[in-house]
Amino acid sequence: GAVVSQHPSWVICKSGTSVKIECRSLDFQATTMFWYRQFPKQSLMLMATSNEGSKATYEQGVEKDKFLINHASLTLSTLTVTSAHPEDSSFYICSAYPNYGYTFGSGTRLTVV
Amino acid sequence: GQNIDQPTEMTATEGAIVQINCTYQTSGFNGLFWYQQHAGEAPTFLSYNVLDGLEEKGRFSSFLSRSKGYSYLLLKELQMKDSASYLCAVRDDGSNYQLIWGAGTKLIIKP
Repeated sequence: GAVVSQHPSWVICKSGTSVKIECRSLDFQATTMFWYRQFPKQSLMLMATSNEGSKATYEQGVEKDKFLINHASLTLSTLTVTSAHPEDSSFYICSAYPNYGYTFGSGTRLTVV
Repeated sequence: GQNIDQPTEMTATEGAIVQINCTYQTSGFNGLFWYQQHAGEAPTFLSYNVLDGLEEKGRFSSFLSRSKGYSYLLLKELQMKDSASYLCAVRDDGSNYQLIWGAGTKLIIKP
């Protein structure tokens, strides 16, 4: 089946540094990639939708200059959290749409100290 | 506006049956999804309904009534490993295939 590989699984970084999260579609072409954030005991919150070769569409309230999304190829999309702060600590998940059953990456647990 | 409602938490006994309800109010409708999410993990796909009726897949079944804006996920022969959050999501008619997510139902299975 369709697989999305997400790395890293977890990362701890210092406040003020940047962190890059990668999502790769292993056996299909991901024209569209969704990026979510999930805080403890809450549901998924869509941050942005990226389409290969074009600018990402950000949801209201999500700073596009802070959360940089690059979708330069059909198999790779990246999310970079710039100048991370403790309030950015969360579970970040990517999702692609190879068929009607959206496929999720395994998630990245980001802790900013 | 867009709204999806499901119970916050449910408790059931191992071996029993539990039904998790989901009601939705969205501007459009192009399918309803159920996902299972264990703590600290990404969601995994359970079911997809786009037409009215019941879809059965092993111990899990999902039902949809578009006229009522209602769905349920039925879990039979509950096992301890079924303890997880169950997320209901609707795809509206908008572009980019975005999903509108419910807050999730935490299911606790007791021996």
